[in-house]
Amino acid sequence: GAVVSQHPSWVICKSGTSVKIECRSLDFQATTMFWYRQFPKQSLMLMATSNEGSKATYEQGVEKDKFLINHASLTLSTLTVTSAHPEDSSFYICSARKGQQETQYFGPGTRLLVL
Amino acid sequence: QKEVEQNSGPLSVPEGAIASLNCTYSDRGSQSFFWYRQYSGKSPELIMFIYSNGDKEDGRFTAQLNKASQYVSLLIRDSQPSDSATYLCAVTPSRAGGFKTIFGAGTRLFVKA
Repeated sequence: GAVVSQHPSWVICKSGTSVKIECRSLDFQATTMFWYRQFPKQSLMLMATSNEGSKATYEQGVEKDKFLINHASLTLSTLTVTSAHPEDSSFYICSARKGQQETQYFGPGTRLLVL
Repeated sequence: QKEVEQNSGPLSVPEGAIASLNCTYSDRGSQSFFWYRQYSGKSPELIMFIYSNGDKEDGRFTAQLNKASQYVSLLIRDSQPSDSATYLCAVTPSRAGGFKTIFGAGTRLFVKA
């Protein structure tokens, strides 16, 4: 199997607070994990690529100091949205790649609403 | 030119018909091709992957790859209302691209009962 979980599934927070989202590969080791953001009725937007034990690679236009990514183990990557603002409200989805395979398996996503 | 292009749709087909979803890509050296299904409000789920030219069948789904034309398609036979979703085409470029998978914007499919 290739199961990826995310926690929490829903977050509502006040503007200015930080939110941490966890992404776990449950039955395989993921050398690479990806973080995406998706606004309503829009396509997936890759935010960053996270490799275990190294710094994440951010896509152009994504602020690395605002979206902190930590890939501390082969089964866990975290995304922290720092000082969240209403415009950060979105659907955040992680995916994990199994070993050297290119197939990505997606987590169920986390809906963030910043008030 | 977008790296992976899909018709946004919506594509509407009657129940029981064949739905044909198409995707073109720009990197001729691309090696791996994927189709994902995304229901409204949910994350994408993998349907199929294909690496070689030709057809690959899995149940009601058939992926077709033509590297010379830089074209990949997904056929859904005996379409059901539960197949109504957005279908994402994804391509992993040549190794020079660093294995980053590129996703198309998706095609919305409606299967009418």
